[in-house]
Amino acid sequence: EGQLVESGGGVVQAGGSLRLSCAAYGFMFRNSWMTWVRQAPGKGLEWVANIKEDGSDKNYVDSVKGRFTISRDNAKNSVFLQMNRLRGDDTAVYYCASEQVRLGLWGQGTLVTVSS
Amino acid sequence: QSALTQPPSASGSPGQSVTISCTGGSGDVGGYNHVSWYQQYPGKAPKLMIFEVNLRPSGVPSRFSGSKSGNTASLTVSGLQADDEADYYCSSYAGSNTVIFGGGTKLTVL
Repeated sequence: EGQLVESGGGVVQAGGSLRLSCAAYGFMFRNSWMTWVRQAPGKGLEWVANIKEDGSDKNYVDSVKGRFTISRDNAKNSVFLQMNRLRGDDTAVYYCASEQVRLGLWGQGTLVTVSS
Repeated sequence: QSALTQPPSASGSPGQSVTISCTGGSGDVGGYNHVSWYQQYPGKAPKLMIFEVNLRPSGVPSRFSGSKSGNTASLTVSGLQADDEADYYCSSYAGSNTVIFGGGTKLTVL
C-alpha cells in the first residue's frame, strides 16, 4: 500500500531556513514523481513543487521560486524540500505526496510556522 | 497560477445527490483530462477520490463520480452519507509539469 512520513517542520524566524524530509516505504519510490503540497491554517491546498523520478525535472509554484529547492535521494527513498528566506505566508502544514497529477499517497504532514 | 474556482460550500440531505463544480480555463481543466478530486477531513491528510476526470481508485465507493465539460469539472456524490461530510478539493494538470488546486468546498450533510 505504501507510506510517506514527513519530518523537519518547526518554528523558524522570518528570513530563516528549514529542510523538510519525506521518507517513503512500501512502493517503488524510484519510479514515482514526488510532490510537495502545503495548506495554510484554515485555508485550502496549494501545490508547491514536484520532482521527476530521476530528479532531472523540478517544478515550483511562482511564490516559492528562487527560495525553495526540491530534491530526492532514490537510494534512501526520500524526497526533500529546502526552504530558504522563509516568510510569514509560508506558514502551513506541508505534505509530501506520490506521483505528479494523481496524488494517490500522502504523508501525515509536518507543520512549519514562520514567526516574525 | 490562480486557483481553480470551487463553491465554498455545498450541502444535501442523507440519500440525496450533490454536485460540486471546479472551473478553470483552457490551460488547465479545459486542456487536459488530468483532473483529480480529494476528500479531506479536519486535521487529516487529503485522500484521492477521483483521477483522470472520472476514474476511481480502488476502495472508493461508486457513489463518487466525476465528469468534465469544457473548462468545468464536477464531482457528484450520490446517496449522501453522514461520513461524506468533509472538504473536497479539485486539482488539474496545468502544463509544464505543474498542478493547480481548487479553493475547496465544504460539504455538509444536513
